[in-house]
Amino acid sequence: AQTVTQSQPEMSVQEAETVTLSCTYDTSENNYYLFWYKQPPSRQMILVIRQEAYKQQNATENRFSVNFQKAAKSFSLKISDSQLGDTAMYFCAFMNYGQNFVFGPGTRLSVLP
Amino acid sequence: DGGITQSPKYLFRKEGQNVTLSCEQNLNHDAMYWYRQDPGQGLRLIYYSQIVNDFQKGDIAEGYSVSREKKESFPLTVTSAQKNPTAFYLCASSETTLSTSTDTQYFGPGTRLTVL
Repeated sequence: AQTVTQSQPEMSVQEAETVTLSCTYDTSENNYYLFWYKQPPSRQMILVIRQEAYKQQNATENRFSVNFQKAAKSFSLKISDSQLGDTAMYFCAFMNYGQNFVFGPGTRLSVLP
Repeated sequence: DGGITQSPKYLFRKEGQNVTLSCEQNLNHDAMYWYRQDPGQGLRLIYYSQIVNDFQKGDIAEGYSVSREKKESFPLTVTSAQKNPTAFYLCASSETTLSTSTDTQYFGPGTRLTVL
C-alpha cells in the first residue's frame, strides 16, 4: 500500500522568509500525481500545487514551488516570501493513476509577524 | 459561481440516531468523495463514486452509507453503527472518466459533526 510521510508535525517561519516542508512517499508505481493542499483555520482544503511524476520540471505557482526527487521519492514544498495568510495545515497527497488519494498526516505551519 | 457546497456547517446528533450530510457540486465532475478528518490528523477516505448509481467503499466505510442518484449530489449518512462519529467531514469532487486517471480533487467547506 502507498504511504505518505510528513516528518515535520509543526513548523514556524518569520514573515517574508522562506520555508520548506518535507514529504516522502512510498510506491512501486512509475506514473502518479503528487499534490500539496493547504487547510487554513477555516478548514477549507485548497489546492496549492500539483506535479505529474512523468514531468522532470518542478511545478511552480507564484510563491510556491516544489522540489520533486523521483528516485528519492521526495516531494518538498518551498514557500517564498512567507505571508501571514500562509498560516495553515499543509497536506501532501499522492495518487496513482486510476486510484484514490493518499494523504499525509500534515504539517502545521505558523507564519510569525 | 462553480463549486462544492456542504450543509450544514455544524451538526449535532444524539447517540443512536442516523444523520445525513449533504454534498452538492455544480462543476459537472464525474467523481465525488467523502473523507473524515479527526483532530490533528490527515484525511481518511470513507466512500467514493466515479459515476451515477455506482459507489465504492473507501478505507473506513463501516457505519456509513452513501447514494449517488444524481451527478451533482453525493449525500453521506452516518448511521448508529458508527461507534465514534464525532469528526470533521469533507466532500470532494474531481473530473474523471472511467478510461483515464482521476484528476485533482476539489473540496467543499466541510461539516463538523458532534455526537452528544
